[in-house]
Amino acid sequence: AQTVTQSQPEMSVQEAETVTLSCTYDTSENNYYLFWYKQPPSRQMILVIRQEAYKQQNATENRFSVNFQKAAKSFSLKISDSQLGDTAMYFCASPSGTYKYIFGTGTRLKVLA
Amino acid sequence: SQTIHQWPATLVQPVGSPLSLECTVEGTSNPNLYWYRQAAGRGLQLLFYSVGIGQISSEVPQNLSASRPQDRQFILSSKKLLLSDSGFYLCAWGRDYGYTFGSGTRLTVV
Repeated sequence: AQTVTQSQPEMSVQEAETVTLSCTYDTSENNYYLFWYKQPPSRQMILVIRQEAYKQQNATENRFSVNFQKAAKSFSLKISDSQLGDTAMYFCASPSGTYKYIFGTGTRLKVLA
Repeated sequence: SQTIHQWPATLVQPVGSPLSLECTVEGTSNPNLYWYRQAAGRGLQLLFYSVGIGQISSEVPQNLSASRPQDRQFILSSKKLLLSDSGFYLCAWGRDYGYTFGSGTRLTVV
């Protein structure tokens, strides 16, 4: 079965510091995207960053970057210069067959002032 | 630009009552459409997806059903709600490069 594992249920980080959220996945797809989504208290799901699996270069989006290790099926999210507005649930997503994605159980991140 | 609308935002329904949640997409044609459910403090569980009008794939056998009567309309239904149907329901549309989610419906079955 194709799975996504986020092993850190909760994390905290001081404002302006850096934090890394872990994600491992298992997919049988060859060409695929991986995603990190953010869900703030409003519960609106927001795409944070995506990684194309056939690209070796790690994706970056402003303060957000990924460390993609395809052979290890690892896809971690690094948040630099953490801000209070980064407080949210973060979900990693991986393909599960054609047309659909499965999500991890999430990491609740709290940024401390 | 593409937008997705989902309603209602909140719903309190008695056990055994019917359910209808609606989702519409604007600004794109022939989108892949999805219904996910999120239990309190949990991840997202894929319920149904559709890649075309009248085409529905079910991921979880239960008393919910989905329909796609029009290209950009996706409906989640139930004839008789159970307590276990309570949760946060999210509609999404997407391609390989990512999903866009609706704002969600918080359903409480009492």
